[in-house]
Amino acid sequence: DTAVSQTPKYLVTQMGNDKSIKCEQNLGHDTMYWYKQDSKKFLKIMFSYNNKELIINETVPNRFSPKSPDKAHLNLHINSLELGDSAVYFCASSPLGTLSEQYFGPGTRLTVT
Amino acid sequence: ELKVEQNPLFLSMQEGKNYTIYCNYSTTSDRLYWYRQDPGKSLESLFVLLSNGAVKQEGRLMASLDTKARLSTLHITAAVHDLSATYFCAVDLRPNSGNTPLVFGKGTRLSVIA
Repeated sequence: DTAVSQTPKYLVTQMGNDKSIKCEQNLGHDTMYWYKQDSKKFLKIMFSYNNKELIINETVPNRFSPKSPDKAHLNLHINSLELGDSAVYFCASSPLGTLSEQYFGPGTRLTVT
Repeated sequence: ELKVEQNPLFLSMQEGKNYTIYCNYSTTSDRLYWYRQDPGKSLESLFVLLSNGAVKQEGRLMASLDTKARLSTLHITAAVHDLSATYFCAVDLRPNSGNTPLVFGKGTRLSVIA
């Protein structure tokens, strides 16, 4: 039983293209997140959604547009891809409550050439 | 700006030895999280420390939290090769709020050698 799943696992594309990454969680959680992990393994929050509503957008370029069709799904669309977008993108979710313990998906390794 | 600093960033240790990873943070949060990441894999939650003085142990790993010093430690006892991974500490972006993103340290890459 996969708790947080992402597709695709690997994505190789050229500069200037538009691509999407999908995320689904079957944990019944209310909050979902996108994190970016760069080549030095540094993890940084990009977006946070609570029950389909955008809560946090951490100064991410507007080429990145998250979409949450329902609280179990949070997709990430990236326009006009740049070399610097190459990274591993992790989706995560957390249950409603006072804790922020997050459950991470397997990651999507994006390579922009 | 909220900062989370781990040290060391790289750690090579012999099997059977003990060592401690340190995590300092700048927020007033009472909570701290430890995660493990194996190469090419996702992040796995290890510990959630909820209050000052909290101590949790799982196998050869023990984590503690001192909120007054804004310091958490991850102690490794009698290291074995299977513990080789990158360990991250993290705190709430919005202190003591639920459902808030986490701010991560840069990670400690641990390598246990025979």
